Amino acid sequence: EIVLTQSPGTLSLSPGERATLSCRASQSVSSSYLAWYQQKPGQAPRLLISGASSRATGIPDRFSGSGSGTDFTLTISRLEPEDFAVYFCQQYGSSPLFTFGPGTKVDIK
Amino acid sequence: EVQLVESGGGLVQPGGSLRLSCAASGFTVSSNYMNWVRQAPGKGLEWVSIIYTTVNTYYADSVKGRFTISRDNSKNTLYLQMNSLRAEDTAVYYCARAPSHSNSYAFDIWGQGTMVTVS
Repeated sequence: EIVLTQSPGTLSLSPGERATLSCRASQSVSSSYLAWYQQKPGQAPRLLISGASSRATGIPDRFSGSGSGTDFTLTISRLEPEDFAVYFCQQYGSSPLFTFGPGTKVDIK
Repeated sequence: EVQLVESGGGLVQPGGSLRLSCAASGFTVSSNYMNWVRQAPGKGLEWVSIIYTTVNTYYADSVKGRFTISRDNSKNTLYLQMNSLRAEDTAVYYCARAPSHSNSYAFDIWGQGTMVTVS
């Protein structure tokens, strides 16, 4: 079973700052199968990044993804007020077919 | 408009059953990989089940043997039959699409969620 670990658990930043979120896998993950989601309170998750680095439709270019193997990163270049949310990474692979990381909360400093 | 709308959640006693529905519009359920994902109150996301275009299905170990995913092509609707419910099944249940034409298996469309409380 592939376990995803996200760090930090909480990231306290100010609008305009850069956010760097980490997702580490217990085993190598195909870059094709690593995704990032944003979730705001009371809302469903929203796809940000698929294939480790491809932005989903309508996602601003301040969001970028990178990484390979066991280490992946989501970067928000300049935080906007609407970016304060929880971010999850997800992988598709062996049993269970899909796993999510525990999430990183980005809150306002 | 491409969207998913879940229904069927509610309060059920331990050991009881519930069937969730997820009505799709703007795309064809049978042409995509359709999933159920749940989120316990204040917790993270847990994948529950998938039904492929081929009708092959897979489940998380936590629900295997108790939950059944299916679809009705004529109604363009996804279902989750949940039996032998336990307190730990309490969660918001989301349906989500992974486009079959994409090789990423990322969930690009999500429903608004339906709450299931087992108590």
